[in-house]
Amino acid sequence: KQEVTQIPAALSVPEGENLVLNCSFTDSAIYNLQWFRQDPGKGLTSLLLIQSSQREQTSGRLNASLDKSSGRSTLYIAASQPGDSATYLCAVPSGGSYIPTFGRGTSLIVHP
Amino acid sequence: DAGITQSPRHKVTETGTPVTLRCHQTENHRYMYWYRQDPGHGLRLIHYSYGVKDTDKGEVSDGYSVSRSKTEDFLLTLESATSSQTSVYFCAISDPSKSGTTSYNEQFFGPGTRLTVL
Repeated sequence: KQEVTQIPAALSVPEGENLVLNCSFTDSAIYNLQWFRQDPGKGLTSLLLIQSSQREQTSGRLNASLDKSSGRSTLYIAASQPGDSATYLCAVPSGGSYIPTFGRGTSLIVHP
Repeated sequence: DAGITQSPRHKVTETGTPVTLRCHQTENHRYMYWYRQDPGHGLRLIHYSYGVKDTDKGEVSDGYSVSRSKTEDFLLTLESATSSQTSVYFCAISDPSKSGTTSYNEQFFGPGTRLTVL
């Protein structure tokens, strides 16, 4: 059974900082890893999906990396802004399955 | 944004009453999922469907049933609601795909239904 851990659970930073959010998983035989953003009271928005054959994906100020052998992914946020304040979740399926397990998320606050 | 709607968006009901939540998609995706999200527990899978009339249980399926008679609709039923089922319920969809020889499965989520059982 896949276990997904996200560290830190919460983060508060001043605007402009570069951030790294971490996601670790126990079963490395995965199809993909997906990062989501969730604003308070809202649904999950897909940010990036990394396929198992890829090492990283980029979208704007976001860059996600994947190291399957060590069971880790990082989400890098460059030049953080108050609008980046949200909870960030990673989702990873178990080996041979498409069904993902979610981490508990990292709650990010970027203050002006 | 993926075309996913959930109804109702908010519901208050009493213990022991039946409740049905609906998820509707316009993307023709094969997989559909129901999750619940609770403080301290994160997002947990209740049931999922991998095709019309094909469903399977998730990690917290007790007290819930599902049905999928059409590709676009996935219903979640609480046969007799309990206070422990007070939660926010999310529907998600996906359609496993291939890029070259690599398979992947990207999920998209609906806006959620806030259910309160008194």
